[in-house]
Amino acid sequence: DAGITQSPRHKVTETGTPVTLRCHQTENHRYMYWYRQDPGHGLRLIHYSYGVKDTDKGEVSDGYSVSRSKTEDFLLTLESATSSQTSVYFCATQGGPSYNEQFFGPGTRLTVL
Amino acid sequence: ELKVEQNPLFLSMQEGKNYTIYCNYSTTSDRLYWYRQDPGKSLESLFVLLSNGAVKQEGRLMASLDTKARLSTLHITAAVHDLSATYFCAVGPGNYQLIWGAGTKLIIKP
Repeated sequence: DAGITQSPRHKVTETGTPVTLRCHQTENHRYMYWYRQDPGHGLRLIHYSYGVKDTDKGEVSDGYSVSRSKTEDFLLTLESATSSQTSVYFCATQGGPSYNEQFFGPGTRLTVL
Repeated sequence: ELKVEQNPLFLSMQEGKNYTIYCNYSTTSDRLYWYRQDPGKSLESLFVLLSNGAVKQEGRLMASLDTKARLSTLHITAAVHDLSATYFCAVGPGNYQLIWGAGTKLIIKP
């Protein structure tokens, strides 16, 4: 499996506070993804990256921004956290042909009070 | 818009029984994936299905793909408690993104 770490693993913050989540991979995979997971919704794509400095929006991108300045790091920022952004956030990577599966990080549990 | 529906969303069964989880998707896709997630854990890839009629098996789990019916099945044979988890299917619409089903929570009682 791809070496993917996420930090922090748990975070509690207050409404209106900026929050940045980090995803780090050691597999040199080109594609990286941020998902959120909520009960009853499966996984929903927030943003993804197809290379350094190349990113695009997913289906639930409002209120989130991303940056990728190095192949190995993909940052997700909540500019002003809201309670609706309380969720578990997963980072995933994919390398090689488009049919390869995605590999997931351990997740970050974010609570916005 | 590609939609992916799994059913059932919840399944409680006894050890030793067989059962099938269904994954339907709404438009043409050339690849389908099954993942497993244990409570509080991350997602683990189980199967990658890339062509019509593809069948893959690992232990008591077998996945198949019928692209004409836009249907994949995950069959569990002689279930054991260790297979209790949530199972997700995901479909690739032709680019590098995946569209996910809502997941099937499987509880297998000893």
